[in-house]
Amino acid sequence: NAGVTQTPKFQVLKTGQSMTLQCAQDMNHNSMYWYRQDPGMGLRLIYYSASEGTTDKGEVPNGYNVSRLNKREFSLRLESAAPSQTSVYFCASNLWGQGQPQHFGDGTRLSIL
Amino acid sequence: SQQGEEDPQALSIQEGENATMNCSYKTSINNLQWYRQNSGRGLVHLILIRSNEREKHSGRLRVTLDTSKKSSSLLITASRAADTASYFCATDPLAGGGNKLTFGTGTQLKVEL
Repeated sequence: NAGVTQTPKFQVLKTGQSMTLQCAQDMNHNSMYWYRQDPGMGLRLIYYSASEGTTDKGEVPNGYNVSRLNKREFSLRLESAAPSQTSVYFCASNLWGQGQPQHFGDGTRLSIL
Repeated sequence: SQQGEEDPQALSIQEGENATMNCSYKTSINNLQWYRQNSGRGLVHLILIRSNEREKHSGRLRVTLDTSKKSSSLLITASRAADTASYFCATDPLAGGGNKLTFGTGTQLKVEL
C-alpha cells in the first residue's frame, strides 16, 4: 500500500517557469490537501479539495492553481514560478470530517532560482 | 497566520528521559492532533484529543488538553533515539467544519544515546 505518492521528489526551476506537482493516494480518501513548509513556519495550507469536483483556497493560495483530476489525484500548478515559492510542498489526504487524521506524502523539494 | 505555537522550539535529551513539548493556540477547537516528522519525510499522525477530553494515552505518548488556557502538551516517556524528529500540533477549528487543520511551528526533538 503506497499511501500518498508525490512526484517529483526534487525540482529546480528558473524564475518564470511553470511546473505541476503531482499527488496520488490509494486509500480511497475523498479529501486532499496541498501544504507548503518553510523553515520556522510550520505547514501552511495552499489549497484543498473536500471531495472530487470541489477545490477551495487555503491560507496562502496566491501564485498557485490546483486540479482535482479524479478521486485519487490532486495536482498543484505554479504558472510563473517566483523565488518566494522555494519551499517543500506536501500533499495529504483523509476522509472528510472532523477528527480524521491526515496522511502525508514525503514531499517535493522545489528550488526556484 | 499560525494557529499553534510550540514550545520549546528545540529540545535535546538523553535516551531514557522524558520529553515534554507544549502547544498554544488561539481559537476554539473541535480537536487537537499531534504529528511527527522525521527528517526528509512527511508528517505522521500520532494522536488526537477532542475538546471534551482532558488527557489521552497511546503507548509512550500522553497528551493533555486545557481548553480554558488554549494549550496542549505532548509527553513522550522513556525516549529512544528513534524518537528524534520534529513534532507538530495541529488544531481542527470548531467553526467551519471538516478537517482543515492549522499547524504549529513545531518542536525539534533530539534524543542522544
